[in-house]
Amino acid sequence: DSGVTQTPKHLITATGQRVTLRCSPRSGDLSVYWYQQSLDQGLQFLIQYYNGEERAKGNILERFSAQQFPDLHSELNLSSLELGDSALYFCASSVWGDNEQFFGPGTRLTVL
Amino acid sequence: GEDVEQSLFLSVREGDSSVINCTYTDSSSTYLYWYKQEPGAGLQLLTYIFSNMDMKQDQRLTVLLNKKDKHLSLRIADTQTGDSAIYFCAERGGKLIFGQGTELSVKP
Repeated sequence: DSGVTQTPKHLITATGQRVTLRCSPRSGDLSVYWYQQSLDQGLQFLIQYYNGEERAKGNILERFSAQQFPDLHSELNLSSLELGDSALYFCASSVWGDNEQFFGPGTRLTVL
Repeated sequence: GEDVEQSLFLSVREGDSSVINCTYTDSSSTYLYWYKQEPGAGLQLLTYIFSNMDMKQDQRLTVLLNKKDKHLSLRIADTQTGDSAIYFCAERGGKLIFGQGTELSVKP
């Protein structure tokens, strides 16, 4: 158990819908990262937050957004969902910067 | 640009050594990592090596780094069926860049 929690574990929704994925980092970790894992794209970095501020952006679509709240939990919002958004979404946390990242168990999103 | 490449599959017999290889392009990488992903689970950090080191050993795991060739390897000694998983190497220059993952299959 890495100490990073993600909810929900599974999510099934329809195209065009909007969903919110939630992540709670390890106690004391200030950085949160979001990744997307799909069969064709592999593991892709989406976005990083550090202590509430956006720190780095990767291959994140404009339909996707994230935020980190004062209690350091983070949410990833996915809107106007398409079939191709079906993937595993991982959250990771670290103490600071890009130091050792600890991954949550992931949220499996299925878009029908 | 930044890129990390791994072979996709490796099959070994229980008790043999496994060697998983990785090449990367970012010469400014400071840390290189190996993560393990078991079926249906998240990524678990196995080990990491700082870029000024050549080798790191941790129980059954040995990491070798050839910085000149930008080549990283993970050797698992006495491979067990429980080692069957997908292994990702990752480099950290700016952000963390992952390879595609190598699926290790251990046959009894």
